[in-house]
Amino acid sequence: KAGVTQTPRYLIKTRGQQVTLSCSPISGHRSVSWYQQTPGQGLQFLFEYFSETQRNKGNFPGRFSGRQFSNSRSEMNVSTLELGDSALYLCASSFNLRGYTFGSGTRLTVV
Amino acid sequence: TQLLEQSPQFLSIQEGENLTVYCNSSSVFSSLQWYRQEPGEGPVLLVTVVTGGEVKKLKRLTFQFGDARKDSSLHITAAQPGDTGLYLCAGALGRDDKIIFGKGTRLHILP
Repeated sequence: KAGVTQTPRYLIKTRGQQVTLSCSPISGHRSVSWYQQTPGQGLQFLFEYFSETQRNKGNFPGRFSGRQFSNSRSEMNVSTLELGDSALYLCASSFNLRGYTFGSGTRLTVV
Repeated sequence: TQLLEQSPQFLSIQEGENLTVYCNSSSVFSSLQWYRQEPGEGPVLLVTVVTGGEVKKLKRLTFQFGDARKDSSLHITAAQPGDTGLYLCAGALGRDDKIIFGKGTRLHILP
């Protein structure tokens, strides 16, 4: 059974640009969550989608947005990138919210 | 405000020793999960505990959920270098089971 696939693995962007990250969950998992991980703050919850609807949202500015498609694949977008957005962005899928399967993440560096 | 406090933040011990790491909160969780994360990868689910007082064993790892479902511990017997990694606890909160992560305990087992 294929795991959670995140693309791209690494990304370098310039301040002010925008970026889109992609996540393909495990087949049959309808819940997809996104997290930002930094050394200082740990794993910070961004948002969770279930059946194409945003069900939960963390405390991030409106520059961070996401969506989920009918096949459960999800994308997150960050507009007007700032240096502080440099982080590992993790996607996780779940069947019943009793445990997540994470992807390997996208390492975003903003210069 | 960090809802889930993990301690210690860092732990470096010799191979063969025993250790316990803790995950504490003032909030009540409907379930609690433990993950291990290695550099450059996403966290991997180790266990989910649901019932207050529940104890689960995974080879040399013993997980316990507090009676009041506010805290948890992870005990490792006879630690091995392969146990090295970042151990994260995550609790499910509220009606929507929003998952909150602690900042983790970074464990290093010296051969």
